[in-house]
Amino acid sequence: GAVVSQHPSRVICKSGTSVKIECRSLDFQATTMFWYRQFPKQSLMLMATSNEGSKATYEQGVEKDKFLINHASLTLSTLTVTSAHPEDSSFYICSARRLGDTEAFFGQGTRLTVV
Amino acid sequence: AQKVTQAQTEISVVEKEDVTLDCVYETRDTTYYLFWYKQPPSGELVFLIRRNSFDEQNEISGRYSWNFQKSTSSFNFTITASQVVDSAVYFCALSEDLETGANNLFFGTGTRLTVIP
Repeated sequence: GAVVSQHPSRVICKSGTSVKIECRSLDFQATTMFWYRQFPKQSLMLMATSNEGSKATYEQGVEKDKFLINHASLTLSTLTVTSAHPEDSSFYICSARRLGDTEAFFGQGTRLTVV
Repeated sequence: AQKVTQAQTEISVVEKEDVTLDCVYETRDTTYYLFWYKQPPSGELVFLIRRNSFDEQNEISGRYSWNFQKSTSSFNFTITASQVVDSAVYFCALSEDLETGANNLFFGTGTRLTVIP
């Protein structure tokens, strides 16, 4: 089956620092990757959609300069939370989709805590 | 250990038929959240419902209805009078961390629904 690996699963960082989250498709080429964020007691919210080799498409209300997404290869997308603040503490999850597939496969998620 | 099982990998129905998608979960926690998401061909997740474990009241929203049975650890989803636009993959998910309400979502493997015109 298709496996998506997200790393790290948990990270704690100091306010003002940047943190990078990786999303890798292990056994398929992911032409499209999705990044989600989940606020406490709320559902998963799509942050952005990234296609390999092009700029990510951000959802309304998501700061593109704050959440940098890079999808430089067919197996790796990264989300960098820049100058993190406590309000950025959340659960981030990615999913990846092959070209021509309608189904996307999810990473395990990353819990970010900014202190 | 937590687990969400969606035993139906694929279902095909003819338009206007009713269809029920099954979801069975396992958890040792007494408090948890259950979710259903829809994933249309475009690929993004569309949130459908969240139910907490204290609320066993069934819910209806338009053509959608959900049957939460704590006794059987099931949270089934029914679409009434299905339409072609309902064709999608549907995910059931479980969250055990009510401290934050959102930690470590455990998803089922999804059910692909095809509605034939």
